[in-house]
Amino acid sequence: EPEVTQTPSHQVTQMGQEVILRCVPISNHLYFYWYRQILGQKVEFLVSFYNNEISEKSEIFDDQFSVERPDGSNFTLKIRSTKLEDSAMYFCASNPGLAGGYTGELFFGEGSRLTVL
Amino acid sequence: KQEVTQIPAALSVPEGENLVLNCSFTDSAIYNLQWFRQDPGKGLTSLLLIQSSQREQTSGRLNASLDKSSGRSTLYIAASQPGDSATYLCAVKIGGNKLVFGAGTILRVKS
Repeated sequence: EPEVTQTPSHQVTQMGQEVILRCVPISNHLYFYWYRQILGQKVEFLVSFYNNEISEKSEIFDDQFSVERPDGSNFTLKIRSTKLEDSAMYFCASNPGLAGGYTGELFFGEGSRLTVL
Repeated sequence: KQEVTQIPAALSVPEGENLVLNCSFTDSAIYNLQWFRQDPGKGLTSLLLIQSSQREQTSGRLNASLDKSSGRSTLYIAASQPGDSATYLCAVKIGGNKLVFGAGTILRVKS
């Protein structure tokens, strides 16, 4: 069964360093998302991406964050200068859009745990 | 602002029991509601999706209902098994194509 894959599964970095989290959404899906979950807290929306541009972003998604779809398969989240409070599990998700009958169902990856020291 | 609340926060039941998890949301203007399962340190597995026009969805031992006007959904698990132990998350899809999540119910099924 097709799935969303994320790498790395866990990354430890020093405060102030740049981090890139990678995702391969399900093939033929059209909408892509990043969510995050700080330990013990709710899953929060960060950004949605469609047709090679950001369609919506939350107030969390400030200038330190960026997303990119550099080729036909990868979808990346970059954190430019990490802070301690960026420590969280980051989830990538995708949605087929019209190709999938537009049910609106989101399919999530296993997550990338980011630890900022 | 949409808020999603899940009750109870944690639940421990003996194997074989039928159980109900509750989810409520403050704004009835939703597109759909999705129930997920999350195992410790793992990703989110979609269990059931209910469109705003639907009343319920079933998959195996799981049944989810939606009462949009009252802002409530329930997830019913029949004949619970130890393998059902996990955190169950409810999320509503609102305008702008994003999900708003509840904090989850931690379920433990004892053998």
